[in-house]
Amino acid sequence: QKEVEQNSGPLSVPEGAIASLNCTYSDRGSQSFFWYRQYSGKSPELIMFIYSNGDKEDGRFTAQLNKASQYVSLLIRDSQPSDSATYLCAVSPPSGGYQKVTFGTGTKLQVIP
Amino acid sequence: EAGVAQSPRYKIIEKRQSVAFWCNPISGHATLYWYQQILGQGPKLLIQFQNNGVVDDSQLPKDRFSAERLKGVDSTLKIQPAKLEDSAVYLCASSFFSVRGLSGNTIYFGEGSWLTVV
Repeated sequence: QKEVEQNSGPLSVPEGAIASLNCTYSDRGSQSFFWYRQYSGKSPELIMFIYSNGDKEDGRFTAQLNKASQYVSLLIRDSQPSDSATYLCAVSPPSGGYQKVTFGTGTKLQVIP
Repeated sequence: EAGVAQSPRYKIIEKRQSVAFWCNPISGHATLYWYQQILGQGPKLLIQFQNNGVVDDSQLPKDRFSAERLKGVDSTLKIQPAKLEDSAVYLCASSFFSVRGLSGNTIYFGEGSWLTVV
């Protein structure tokens, strides 16, 4: 079982719709969860992090965490063509004295004008 | 604030040749990471430094890859000899600190060094 799993997509949504991106992780003791956006040919950039169960909102983005189900998601409201990118889920499992961050393979999002 | 600097941006080499990538993290960042990202995949951690000490190199192919961070600031990743499957983007990243249990420890990435082995 992979440490961090994501559907590779592509996920296609029309402009203005809600895009829902999902991620599951294997280590139940994981503590921190991150969503990065990566445009083609560019390096990843952080969108949000979350570490408590529930929702965390930042503008059009909402991260949702359910530790019991080992599931984290990212909702993008009012999707724009500029949101078209690959979204990487990253998880920080427990490790001795330092933070190790493991990435999923990413979900490619296409927002159709 | 200057970001993570990497060089060279692009490199094409023949198999069995050697290559070195350089990284200068954000000023004051104690933790430095080297990730390998193959096209269509997520970044894979090769090595993680805390100051000038290695805290994780479990996925570094040590028969051909080496990395150092001698003064706890900039770092060099070397591949010798290169194989075709080493073609990837090598991403350097840094974070302010790395302590278990603390959240929001954002990793900042450089623009990456693109390697093609032919």
